[in-house]
Amino acid sequence: DTAVSQTPKYLVTQMGNDKSIKCEQNLGHDTMYWYKQDSKKFLKIMFSYNNKELIINETVPNRFSPKSPDKAHLNLHINSLELGDSAVYFCASSHHGRTGGPEQFFGPGTRLTVL
Amino acid sequence: QKEVEQDPGPLSVPEGAIVSLNCTYSNSAFQYFMWYRQYSRKGPELLMYTYSSGNKEDGRFTAQVDKSSKYISLFIRDSQPSDSATYLCAMTGGGADGLTFGKGTHLIIQP
Repeated sequence: DTAVSQTPKYLVTQMGNDKSIKCEQNLGHDTMYWYKQDSKKFLKIMFSYNNKELIINETVPNRFSPKSPDKAHLNLHINSLELGDSAVYFCASSHHGRTGGPEQFFGPGTRLTVL
Repeated sequence: QKEVEQDPGPLSVPEGAIVSLNCTYSNSAFQYFMWYRQYSRKGPELLMYTYSSGNKEDGRFTAQVDKSSKYISLFIRDSQPSDSATYLCAMTGGGADGLTFGKGTHLIIQP
């Protein structure tokens, strides 16, 4: 049983295109995140959603728009893709609340290559 | 000054050795400290987390946090070739905060 899943696993596209990455978690968590891992393997938070509400929006170009249709899903839409967007994007989830800890569980990643 | 500093390595040790990995940080607001292991082309896998200062042990892994020095460590006993991976420290103030990661240490266990 996959706890946090992402689709697609690989995404190769041309500059200027618009693409989406989907994330789903079956852990019953109420908070989901998007992280970007650059070519130097540095992981950085992009967005955080709690109960479908945006909590964190780090300094990310507004070409990136997260959407959370429900607590189990957090999608990432990217407009007008640029070469610098090439990276691995990870989705994660956690449970925020009195009974939850800070542990975040990560998906397998989506490797985006912009040509 | 970066928020979390971690030596990228590579760190190469013989099988069976005790491995010591560490991170330093600057943000006093961090309360939760985590260690993740990441194999090549995989997602980060949570190994352990510690709240505030202290030690925590889980099998061959021991995590230590010294908030007064802003220094955290992960020790791996009886290291195995399968422990070869990148180890990432991460920390947060809690709640729905994102994790702040170190750059990761690439560990190689030689058979």
